[in-house]
Amino acid sequence: AQKITQTQPGMFVQEKEAVTLDCTYDTSDQSYGLFWYKQPSSGEMIFLIYQGSYDEQNATEGRYSLNFQKARKSANLVISASQLGDSAMYFCAMREARMDSSYKLIFGSGTRLLVRP
Amino acid sequence: EAGVVQSPRYKIIEKKQPVAFWCNPISGHNTLYWYRQNLGQGPELLIRYENEEAVDDSQLPKDRFSAERLKGVDSTLKIQPAELGDSAVYLCASSPTTDGFGNTIYFGEGSWLTVV
Repeated sequence: AQKITQTQPGMFVQEKEAVTLDCTYDTSDQSYGLFWYKQPSSGEMIFLIYQGSYDEQNATEGRYSLNFQKARKSANLVISASQLGDSAMYFCAMREARMDSSYKLIFGSGTRLLVRP
Repeated sequence: EAGVVQSPRYKIIEKKQPVAFWCNPISGHNTLYWYRQNLGQGPELLIRYENEEAVDDSQLPKDRFSAERLKGVDSTLKIQPAELGDSAVYLCASSPTTDGFGNTIYFGEGSWLTVV
């Protein structure tokens, strides 16, 4: 069964510095997708970045980049130049095909990031 | 373009009472999801619709939970009767299609339920 592990329940980072949020996953499939979502205190899950298992290059979206190491089954999120508004919960998620062809998205337990001024 | 809209945002009810949550997905999105997020945890899928058909409801506690998406657009999730353990955030999400891994799932702000 697929599984997402986020080992950091909380992280601090100084404003304007970079921070890495860890995510490891477990799957026996060759084809899958990895996502990062941000959840501020308002509750909405905001899509940040996507990495496909066959993508050769690491995904980047503005200040967000995904450090994808397929052999290690890790998909860490790197946020550069942290801003106060980056303070939120961050969830790593994986989507893989199931026997019934549905594409279930499963989430890790999340990391709370606090940006210090 | 409007995002996923959910209502109500907050609900406090006594145990054994019924409650219903409404969701309007992004226009044109055929796939609709209901997730439950307990405090300090990641969301877990309750049910997934393809148009009006519930194609994955294996995680839905069918003794007290029900959902419908009659016209393949908006959806309602009902709990009757509610239990203390149902206190959680109920997130609705939608995506254009489930063909492929890269189709992003867009979430609403959630409906925060407290059962007292």
